Amino acid sequence: DAGVIQSPRHEVTEMGQEVTLRCKPISGHDYLFWYRQTMMRGLELLIYFNNNVPIDDSGMPEDRFSAKMPNASFSTLKIQPSEPRDSAVYFCASSLKSLYGYTFGSGTRLTVV
Amino acid sequence: AQSVAQPEDQVNVAEGNPLTVKCTYSVSGNPYLFWYVQYPNRGLQFLLKYITGDNLVKGSYGFEAEFNKSQTSFHLKKPSALVSDSALYFCAVIGAGSYQLTFGKGTKLSVIP
Repeated sequence: DAGVIQSPRHEVTEMGQEVTLRCKPISGHDYLFWYRQTMMRGLELLIYFNNNVPIDDSGMPEDRFSAKMPNASFSTLKIQPSEPRDSAVYFCASSLKSLYGYTFGSGTRLTVV
Repeated sequence: AQSVAQPEDQVNVAEGNPLTVKCTYSVSGNPYLFWYVQYPNRGLQFLLKYITGDNLVKGSYGFEAEFNKSQTSFHLKKPSALVSDSALYFCAVIGAGSYQLTFGKGTKLSVIP
């Protein structure tokens, strides 16, 4: 298995533009998580899915953020419109039951200028 | 609510010396505890976990961690540090009935040749 695959690795966009981050979890994993990492706030859980259903989106900072999981092998995190304070590294992780721990993707480094 | 504290932002240790990275946690019920490592520009990699059983857990790359219920701690240790151990280390916890991993802010470990 290639692990959790995220794209793009790097994204630079202008303020106000729409940004879409993509994630392909490990096949067979039933949990998918989106995290954001910044120097100031560390790792923050944004949202997680179980069997493609969003379970807890309380970490999504505001309505500009949305996430979908249309099937078991694909998820997106969208920011519209983007702002400079959204600049961070966004990680996707998947898990086969939470007690086994998560497998993280390599992350998407987002820079909003 | 569950939380993790890593009291040291940075730990410096000489190569060949033992290292300890500290972690304390707060959860309801029995904790499930994890350590992850992050190398520059990479995602988080799983090191080890405590679910139940022996309080001393052995993991990847010679690392181990000791679960101490009375002190609510799960410190990461290694008998002899390598320069290649230099990275960012995260402690994480899942509480009973939860499905989401809560991370500490991370500790930067620098091993000095």
